[in-house]
Amino acid sequence: DAKTTQPTSMDCAEGRAANLPCNHSTISGNEYVYWYRQIHSQGPQYIIHGLKNNETNEMASLIITEDRKSSTLILPHATLRDTAVYYCIVRVRDSNYQLIWGAGTKLIIKP
Amino acid sequence: GAVVSQHPSRVICKSGTSVKIECRSLDFQATTMFWYRQFPKKSLMLMATSNEGSKATYEQGVEKDKFLINHASLTLSTLTVTSAHPEDSSFYICSASTGGNGYTFGSGTRLTVV
Repeated sequence: DAKTTQPTSMDCAEGRAANLPCNHSTISGNEYVYWYRQIHSQGPQYIIHGLKNNETNEMASLIITEDRKSSTLILPHATLRDTAVYYCIVRVRDSNYQLIWGAGTKLIIKP
Repeated sequence: GAVVSQHPSRVICKSGTSVKIECRSLDFQATTMFWYRQFPKKSLMLMATSNEGSKATYEQGVEKDKFLINHASLTLSTLTVTSAHPEDSSFYICSASTGGNGYTFGSGTRLTVV
């Protein structure tokens, strides 16, 4: 079962920051949080991941709360091409380090 | 960056035939590959995990005799859908562990069984 919950859908205006929340209240101390996005009928694209510190790369920032029970993905300047389904995923710490996928958030960027 | 090539991107086959989907890691060695299935407007569902040189580990409810997975080398894993039926029509996606904490996904295969 997925260990994350996300809003089903969100809208954001083009050029503004898109903030996508994710709850993972049952996360274990050594489990990472990953974010991927998927544009219709394509393979998922990696965005960012983190354990407990905030992370930033060329695509986005990941803010993880101190208790690690939730996180927020920030796309600083959303463009129309950022319209996609965004998945917040907890990597299960077992022998195969599987990614357990939740339902995701459909983000629609509006002009 | 790490690239995973998945072929074919689309395939249409007749009921009762078998279809093979290939997943190749192009510029890295993938000791572990994952196979997912995705229904329309749904999330990815893990089918199986394959480690090079050993039998795949299937998730509960996935028929291992219908979905044959082979991971004979560090750069190639294949999924064969045997005796395909219309209910096997779906979007199939592979993923490879790139070591460290990275995972790269293929572009997916749209299977339609008629």
